[in-house]
Amino acid sequence: KDQVFQPSTVASSEGAVVEIFCNHSVSNAYNFFWYLHFPGCAPRLLVKGSKPSQQGRYNMTYERFSSSLLILQVREADAAVYYCAVEVCNDYKLSFGAGTTVTVRA
Amino acid sequence: ETGVTQSPTHLIKTRGQQVTLRCSSQSGHNTVSWYQQALGQGPQFIFQYYREEENGRGNFPPRFSGLQFPNYSSELNVNALELDDSALYLCASSPLGAASWEQYFGPGTRLTVT
Repeated sequence: KDQVFQPSTVASSEGAVVEIFCNHSVSNAYNFFWYLHFPGCAPRLLVKGSKPSQQGRYNMTYERFSSSLLILQVREADAAVYYCAVEVCNDYKLSFGAGTTVTVRA
Repeated sequence: ETGVTQSPTHLIKTRGQQVTLRCSSQSGHNTVSWYQQALGQGPQFIFQYYREEENGRGNFPPRFSGLQFPNYSSELNVNALELDDSALYLCASSPLGAASWEQYFGPGTRLTVT
């Protein structure tokens, strides 16, 4: 069964760099998507692609079967659940990991 | 520009009943996907609609069905509800049709089946 794997929790301190690692076993997936989800709100797309990219404080690394999301200068307000997803070619869907809960100490 | 909206926000149903969830796409988007997110899990793809037709389906039984309307809004219908159908149901819209995977999500509908 194709799966996307990411850690369940990552703890950090304010001002640090948070790294969330994701890897997958989907043979025909090439693009990664990273979403931020605050409970009760819509999941928000942070960064995506099939190459390393950056959007503001969010950096995405890229390998064929793995990606990391790096959150620079993390703040308490960044505490949320972060989802990694991969695009399955010609299958019209995103396959998601179970989410990583990021906690930030002041 | 209006984002993706869903209604209702919360819903409680009894096992065996039927439910309809609604989604309004972001302006300019003509593709809608539905996902089921059980507690503690990531969203699971149910199906996608493009130009009012189903354009792909995940591993969900036929009692999960959908519609897309000419204004690109969409409905998810679930018949014969089961306790395991309790979840957050997310709708996502995409621009430019099925070729684009940049999906924008709504806040979801929390369904509880008792």
